[in-house]
Amino acid sequence: DQQVKQNSPSLSVQEGRISILNCDYTNSMFDYFLWYKKYPAEGPTFLISISSIKDKNEDGRFTVFLNKSAKHLSLHIVPSQPGDSAVYFCAASWSAGGTSYGKLTFGQGTILTVHP
Amino acid sequence: KAGVTQTPRYLIKTRGQQVTLSCSPISGHRSVSWYQQTPGQGLQFLFEYFSETQRNKGNFPGRFSGRQFSNSRSEMNVSTLELGDSALYLCASSAHGKETQYFGPGTRLLVL
Repeated sequence: DQQVKQNSPSLSVQEGRISILNCDYTNSMFDYFLWYKKYPAEGPTFLISISSIKDKNEDGRFTVFLNKSAKHLSLHIVPSQPGDSAVYFCAASWSAGGTSYGKLTFGQGTILTVHP
Repeated sequence: KAGVTQTPRYLIKTRGQQVTLSCSPISGHRSVSWYQQTPGQGLQFLFEYFSETQRNKGNFPGRFSGRQFSNSRSEMNVSTLELGDSALYLCASSAHGKETQYFGPGTRLLVL
């Protein structure tokens, strides 16, 4: 039962262009969403998050969009740089307590490659 | 502020042994969560501790256990290791009432 899905295993873009990474979820209880960047054999690095009361959040080159009705979120990176090449994970949580305490549910990840 | 630290970074064990991994959260963070990452299953939640109490547990066998100390440092233990326990074990900390978790570098465990 995969509640968070990243359907594109990989994405390749040219330096300077926009990278768009997508994520779908099935659990309507999720009310907080995060994007992490990860290199092999390292821990995930937090990039940006969004609460379900918003539909957009920006931080520098990174923007996350949330479409609650479609249960879909996306991460836009503009402009893309070669240093952005990594695996990107979306994650979701809900703040109701109980079985949600401290638990992030992750997608399977998308490998982003930015070519110079 | 220093980030989340985990020790050791790499570990090799044999089947049947047990292992203890350590995690020091960001100063002031009282919630510590543990995750297992494998190629087949991705990032899976193990358990979460807050103020020395386990508040949540993922779908893992009882061989996986943990604890948290009064200074918020946490340990996880895996007993009777199996080959399938080979994975990257990650801990993450968060501030009270905040959903964002910050991850450590992980401990790579190889079971032979």
